[in-house]
Amino acid sequence: GAVVSQHPSWVICKSGTSVKIECRSLDFQATTMFWYRQFPKQSLMLMATSNEGSKATYEQGVEKDKFLINHASLTLSTLTVTSAHPEDSSFYICSARERRREGLMSYNEQFFGPGTRLTVL
Amino acid sequence: ELKVEQNPLFLSMQEGKNYTIYCNYSTTSDRLYWYRQDPGKSLESLFVLLSNGAVKQEGRLMASLDTKARLSTLHITAAVHDLSATYFCAVVGSGTYKYIFGTGTRLKVLA
Repeated sequence: GAVVSQHPSWVICKSGTSVKIECRSLDFQATTMFWYRQFPKQSLMLMATSNEGSKATYEQGVEKDKFLINHASLTLSTLTVTSAHPEDSSFYICSARERRREGLMSYNEQFFGPGTRLTVL
Repeated sequence: ELKVEQNPLFLSMQEGKNYTIYCNYSTTSDRLYWYRQDPGKSLESLFVLLSNGAVKQEGRLMASLDTKARLSTLHITAAVHDLSATYFCAVVGSGTYKYIFGTGTRLKVLA
């Protein structure tokens, strides 16, 4: 259970074009999904929190007009990189949050997609 | 602001040896996660630690959490080549839902 998919797994595009990345929770519903980016040999940085039926919450320094997030259903969030430039080249990873239980404790856990490698020429 | 540090950043070890990776964080946390990442891949969940004193083991890996010291450890016993990967801890601060990832530890196990 708790499987998250991403599409595409990799994409190469020309500078100035827009690219859409899809994140799906396959066997559970997720009111909250997250988008991260990861540069080579670095850690994951949270870009934004995607909330079903409402606007995304962006982290400081992330341009919301450049990274458009839509969470139109409980199983799908999309990230559109608009007017992509070479500096946007990165590994983008989404996650979906699910409520879990361990004994008497309940907690939220994020399940990560396989990632999308974006290369902007 | 919650900060998470791991050490070492790089670790090269011989097969059969034991070693520990440390994850320190700066403010009170509700829970802590450990992940493994292989090159070019996404994150694989290893452990979820929910309370002070929690200890979990899976195969050659054992994770523990000391919330008073704001420290988690990932102990590797009798390392094998297949454990070569980058290991991340992620911390959730009290009253928040966001994961703050550590810097990562790149582990290379030499045959």
